[in-house]
Parts: sequence; C-alpha cells; structure tokens
Amino acid sequence: DADVTQTPRNRITKTGKRIMLECSQTKGHDRMYWYRQDPGLGLRLIYYSFDVKDINKGEISDGYSVSRQAQAKFSLSLESAIPNQTALYFCATSRVSRNEQFFGPGTRLTVL
Amino acid sequence: AQSVTQLDSHVSVSEGTPVLLRCNYSSSYSPSLFWYVQHPNKGLQLLLKYTSAATLVKGINGFEAEFKKSETSFHLTKPSAHMSDAAEYFCVVSDPPGAAGNKLTFGGGTRVLVKP
Repeated sequence: DADVTQTPRNRITKTGKRIMLECSQTKGHDRMYWYRQDPGLGLRLIYYSFDVKDINKGEISDGYSVSRQAQAKFSLSLESAIPNQTALYFCATSRVSRNEQFFGPGTRLTVL
Repeated sequence: AQSVTQLDSHVSVSEGTPVLLRCNYSSSYSPSLFWYVQHPNKGLQLLLKYTSAATLVKGINGFEAEFKKSETSFHLTKPSAHMSDAAEYFCVVSDPPGAAGNKLTFGGGTRVLVKP
C-alpha cells in the first residue's frame, strides 16, 4: 500500500543536540508537510513544501529547518534541541489538486 | 484567517449510546472541513470531509457530520458508540483545494472515552 513513513518513531535526546527526523512517502504526492502536536493545541504547521524546489515556513518554524531531498523525502531538523521542542511530530502529504492530507505514524521526541 | 474551536476537550459516553462532538469554525473562504481520528500511538486517519457538496457528510465507521453555514458548525455524530471509538478527534478547516499553501488549521481535539 502507498504509505507515509517516519523515522525514528521515538527519540530521546539532550538539550543542544542536533536532531533529524525523516519522512518518506510512496503516494506520489507533490506536497509534504511537517506538524507538531502538543496536548490541547491540536497540530500546528512547522514547514511545508510544494515540490523539491519549494519550501515554506508554517506558523511555528523558529528553531526548525527542513530539507526536501526528493519528491518522496522531506526531513525536519532541530539544529540545537531545547526542552520545549518535546512533542509528537507528524509528516503529511497531499496532492496538488486536493486539500486532504495523509499522515505518517508520528515521531515522539523528548528533549531532556 | 481560519480558526477552529472544538467545544469539548473530553467526552465520555456509554457503549451503544450516541456520540456528539461539537466543532465551530471561522473561515474567510468557502471552507473545506474535515474530521480526523487519532487512536493511541497511531497517526491521524481521515474520518470524513466536506467540500461544498451535500451538507450531510457520511464517513467511515458509522460517523457523519452536518455542515451548517448559518451556525458555522460542523458537528460529528455517531448513533451508537463502540469501544473501538475511544480516541482523539480533530476538527480541521482547510484552504480551498489547490489554493496556495493547502494548509490545515486544527482544533484542539476532543478525547472520547467509551464506557462498557
């Protein structure tokens, strides 16, 4: 089945460390997104990408960066992790002409 | 600007009784609206979507939602709750299909507990 996968699924790290979260998809979708989920806040958009050459900031991009290595791969980096970046991170994809998004299983990140 | 308010952070129901999850939205566009479900330790799964066709939308697992423009609401219902419905539910508003950004705005979520 066409799918959205995320690695790692769980990660514990220390303040100041650089972390990369990876997302791959086999759906053939052009658009990819990174969200973080915090209790009571739903999901908030960090970055999104329409294609390999297009990267856009979302509502909470400070402290994060992204790389779109290929149509199927979109990675999220925390250059210097801090404890308030502890959250559940989701990758999502969508087609250009449709606005429903398909989500990966999530990465639970803990920054000590 | 778009926003979504889910009126209940927690809902508790008995198995076999109806479920009602309330959602109000604000949008400058003619909105697209979704309900997603998140089971424990799982990703988000699309339950149903409204995109300006019929105002009563049927989704998976017996859920349905009614779009009421005059009330800016998109409440989710199910006639008879099942234990497997215990999860967190998110109401979501979107830019129109193909619009710049295709961004989703999420409500804060409603956690559903189903009692035997």
